[in-house]
Amino acid sequence: EAGVVQSPRYKIIEKKQPVAFWCNPISGHNTLYWYLQNLGQGPELLIRYENEEAVDDSQLPKDRFSAERLKGVDSTLKIQPAELGDSAVYLCASSSPNLTSGRYNEQFFGPGTRLTVL
Amino acid sequence: SQKIEQNSEALNIQEGKTATLTCNYTNYSPAYLQWYRQDPGRGPVFLLLIRENEKEKRKERLKVTFDTTLKQSLFHITASQPADSATYLCALVKGGSQGNLIFGKGTKLSVKP
Repeated sequence: EAGVVQSPRYKIIEKKQPVAFWCNPISGHNTLYWYLQNLGQGPELLIRYENEEAVDDSQLPKDRFSAERLKGVDSTLKIQPAELGDSAVYLCASSSPNLTSGRYNEQFFGPGTRLTVL
Repeated sequence: SQKIEQNSEALNIQEGKTATLTCNYTNYSPAYLQWYRQDPGRGPVFLLLIRENEKEKRKERLKVTFDTTLKQSLFHITASQPADSATYLCALVKGGSQGNLIFGKGTKLSVKP
């Protein structure tokens, strides 16, 4: 079974430029998450989707960040314009409800996209 | 304020010994707690989940305890191996959060041969 796929793996841009990250979750996983991870820190949730609906985007800086998951499968996270402080790893994760353990299931992470803003 | 603390940024142990990592939290009432492993350049990988009404969970050489009175989880790796070297992250699932994870900073474990 293929895992969570993210692209690109690395991206270097100059500040004020736009950038987009793509994620394809594990087949059948209806919940998709985008996280930001700074060096030496744990992942921080940006947005959570249940199918195509963004059910929690409270931590997403909406002035410059946007995300979409139009058909409830793959997702795109965009930053426009990028700032120096946006340099980080952007992780995508997916999960699926489990009848045994309920809704609090393990999340499956992709390898991340390392963004460097110059 | 709400905080999750993993006791140390780095832990160095000798092969064959037991590694014990600590996760403390304040001002949360977690429904679940999870532990993840993260290798450099990779995303976190799920290891174990323990519920608030469970005291202990085991999986092969891994053991997790959860003390809601102390607001603490301990993560043990017995008979540690150099291949266990990685960063270990604890993550809380807040009650009522619909499964959103709050991660600690992680502890980098190095197992020396």
